[in-house]
Amino acid sequence: NAGVTQTPKFQVLKTGQSMTLQCAQDMNHEYMSWYRQDPGMGLRLIHYSVGAGITDQGEVPNGYNVSRSTTEDFPLRLLSAAPSQTSVYFCASRAANEKLFFGSGTQLSVL
Amino acid sequence: KQEVTQIPAALSVPEGENLVLNCSFTDSAIYNLQWFRQDPGKGLTSLLLIQSSQREQTSGRLNASLDKSSGRSTLYIAASQPGDSATYLCAVPLSGYSTLTFGKGTMLLVSP
Repeated sequence: NAGVTQTPKFQVLKTGQSMTLQCAQDMNHEYMSWYRQDPGMGLRLIHYSVGAGITDQGEVPNGYNVSRSTTEDFPLRLLSAAPSQTSVYFCASRAANEKLFFGSGTQLSVL
Repeated sequence: KQEVTQIPAALSVPEGENLVLNCSFTDSAIYNLQWFRQDPGKGLTSLLLIQSSQREQTSGRLNASLDKSSGRSTLYIAASQPGDSATYLCAVPLSGYSTLTFGKGTMLLVSP
C-alpha cells in the first residue's frame, strides 16, 4: 500500500495564480482532510470530507476549494493564491475511530 | 470548542533518561486520543491511538495513558535515544468522523 500520496512536494506560485494540490489514498478510508501547518500556529484544518460527494469547511477554509468525486481522491484548489497561503499543506485520511494517516506534505510559497 | 494544550513546548534531555510529555484537553467527550511524531521537514507519523475505553497503550519504549475525567494524557518514553528527537503532537476527535484538534506539540531533543 502506498498510503496517502501528495503531489507536488514543492511549489512556487505568483500572487493571483491558481493551482491544485493532489491527494490520493489507497486504504479505502472514508474520512479525508487537508491541514496547513505554520510556525507558531500548529496544524489548522482547512476542509474535510466524510465520503464521496460530502465535504465541509474546517477552521481556515477561505481561499480554498475541495471536491470528493471518488473515495480515493481529495484535491485542494487554491483559487487565487495570496502570500498568506505560503505554508506546508498536509493531506490525511482515516477510517472511523482509527488512526489518522498523513501524506508527506506540500511546501507552497506564494510570491 | 475543544482546545488541546501540550506542555512543555520544548524539552532537552541527555540520552538514557526516561521522560514524560503532557497533553491536556478541555472537552472530555472524546472517542480516542492519538499521539504523533513529526521529524523536521516531514509529515506526521501516528505513534499510538488510545480508545476512550482504554487507560493506556504501549508500543516498544513508548507508553501512552489517558484519563478522560481529568482531560489529560501522557506519553512516556523510556531510555530515550538521540533518534527520539522530534516534535510530538497529540490530537483528539469529538466523534468517530469528527475533525481532529491538535496540540501545538512538544519539541524533544535528546543529546548523546
